[in-house]
Amino acid sequence: KAGVTQTPRYLIKTRGQQVTLSCSPISGHRSVSWYQQTPGQGLQFLFEYFSETQRNKGNFPGRFSGRQFSNSRSEMNVSTLELGDSALYLCASSLVGSLYEQYFGPGTRLTVT
Amino acid sequence: GQQLNQSPQSMFIQEGEDVSMNCTSSSIFNTWLWYKQDPGEGPVLLIALYKAGELTSNGRLTAQFGITRKDSFLNISASIPSDVGIYFCAVYAGKSTFGDGTTLTVKP
Repeated sequence: KAGVTQTPRYLIKTRGQQVTLSCSPISGHRSVSWYQQTPGQGLQFLFEYFSETQRNKGNFPGRFSGRQFSNSRSEMNVSTLELGDSALYLCASSLVGSLYEQYFGPGTRLTVT
Repeated sequence: GQQLNQSPQSMFIQEGEDVSMNCTSSSIFNTWLWYKQDPGEGPVLLIALYKAGELTSNGRLTAQFGITRKDSFLNISASIPSDVGIYFCAVYAGKSTFGDGTTLTVKP
């Protein structure tokens, strides 16, 4: 089985722009979670989607949003980018019966200048 | 929000040595997890723990979470160079919360 894929792998944006990141979960996995990883804050939970519905949301401003499609693929969007949004954005997928066993993608490295 | 305290923050060991790292929480959790992250990659699940006080093994890795359900440890026996990476503990309660990680360096 193919693993979780994330595109793009690297991205450079300018402050004030917006960005969309994509995640394709492992086939058969219907839950997708997003995390932000920075040296200062570690791995922080952004949100989780299941069957196209947001089930959980972390403590991030409304500039961070996401969605899930009927094929379980997910996108996250960050609007009005700030320098502090520079981070590794990780997507993880899991099976319905074992939501805690998350399989992570390689991440998208976002740099905001 | 919930915080997990991992220790030590970093470890420098000789190949062949055993390693032990810990994770504590101020709240009770019934599912504890240990992940490893290599440079440029996402975390990989090593061990999932569901029963307090029960040792769980995965090759040279052994982990357990305590009967208070507020702490967990991960042991690595006979370390090898490919054990290098960042080890994270995590708990699951509707969502995963991660510790800050223990960076392991193995000297050949």
